Amino acid sequence: KNEVEQSPQNLTAQEGEFITINCSYSVGISALHWLQQHPGGGIVSLFMLSSGKKKHGRLIATINIQEKHSSLHITASHPRDSAVYICAVGGSNYKLTFGKGTLLTVNP
Amino acid sequence: KAGVTQTPRYLIKTRGQQVTLSCSPISGHRSVSWYQQTPGQGLQFLFEYFSETQRNKGNFPGRFSGRQFSNSRSEMNVSTLELGDSALYLCASSQGTSGRAERETQYFGPGTRLLVL
Repeated sequence: KNEVEQSPQNLTAQEGEFITINCSYSVGISALHWLQQHPGGGIVSLFMLSSGKKKHGRLIATINIQEKHSSLHITASHPRDSAVYICAVGGSNYKLTFGKGTLLTVNP
Repeated sequence: KAGVTQTPRYLIKTRGQQVTLSCSPISGHRSVSWYQQTPGQGLQFLFEYFSETQRNKGNFPGRFSGRQFSNSRSEMNVSTLELGDSALYLCASSQGTSGRAERETQYFGPGTRLLVL
């Protein structure tokens, strides 16, 4: 079993829809990261959180430490949100362990 | 501030050769981490350098090595290349002030795409 599991693997939405991507992890963590990767490879860090909730524009990230679960929400989705979203956790081994990613496609 | 830069962007090598990839972090950032991304394994941590010292290492063979210079620029080297080393190699920098890179926002470079024939 992977330490970091993301769901769904693939997600197709219509423009304007509310989107949720989930991340579950099996180890104790010091921080959780949400990353965005567009075609061509570039990765952008969206959020880093260790508790509670963070919001940036139309993006919201939440984490429940007790349940070892985090969600990334996108409100009013737009075609430019189409990308791979990757969850990564930093644990007691001082390393980042990554989920396999969620491929999001937002159609106009 | 300029972002993280990586050179070269693309590289084609043959089995048995060696390769050196370079990463220049954001000015003022002292931690540089390297990652390998493949379709099968996804993103995997290679190693992290801080103040010219390897602070952490992933589960990769000794053929993968790196170093960091006094200006925080970093290089990684892969010797005796294998077909399975074909991947996107990403470096990321962070401030390094917390002592724990995995607790800091990582700023990624565009990556070096390595193809081993």
